Amino acid sequence: ETGVTQTPRHLVMGMTNKKSLKCEQHLGHNAMYWYKQSAKKPLELMFVYNFKEQTENNSVPSRFSPECPNSSHLFLHLHTLQPEDSALYLCASSQGPGPSSGANVLTFGAGSRLTVL
Amino acid sequence: GQNIDQPTEMTATEGAIVQINCTYQTSGFNGLFWYQQHAGEAPTFLSYNVLDGLEEKGRFSSFLSRSKGYSYLLLKELQMKDSASYLCAVVIYNQGGKLIFGQGTELSVKP
Repeated sequence: ETGVTQTPRHLVMGMTNKKSLKCEQHLGHNAMYWYKQSAKKPLELMFVYNFKEQTENNSVPSRFSPECPNSSHLFLHLHTLQPEDSALYLCASSQGPGPSSGANVLTFGAGSRLTVL
Repeated sequence: GQNIDQPTEMTATEGAIVQINCTYQTSGFNGLFWYQQHAGEAPTFLSYNVLDGLEEKGRFSSFLSRSKGYSYLLLKELQMKDSASYLCAVVIYNQGGKLIFGQGTELSVKP
């Protein structure tokens, strides 16, 4: 496996379910990100982890709970979601804290398409 | 606030040239990225500009004018496989290098 891998690729859940999205990067990067992509809207940054520590929570509702056990793995735990949470959830990684230069290009996974019924 | 504008959709003909514009009004600008995203796939890096001017990379070129808050992505010799969404994103240095995205431009290449 190379790059950034996300599982599952598709997920359908009810509003009372609990599920998790998983992201794994094989690039030796130190920063990992969760983004939300809704139709016709810009990518929204949700969470940032640098060296396993959360450095940004972009006012995300508590029904989304991230977990970063090590620099290679990132999870997004989901519970009591709303239909408006249906979207493509993208994981990304970069070499260091923040894409502040061309050296810190974000590498994205293919995303997990979430549908909340 | 931060604001990035791109056209929502564009259509062009195979073999032609197309220019996708991006204008931005942000604080603490520290560079601009262009990403390509095919339907159902991950966004992939195309270019990064931090200084004014044109960066050329094969069929793709990207231009930046910091004084005008303006960038464009130029695609030459269009191919059908260039049909995709093109995302403009600005780096905000005084927010830890945060990347703010535009809504993306959906490009359709017709035969």
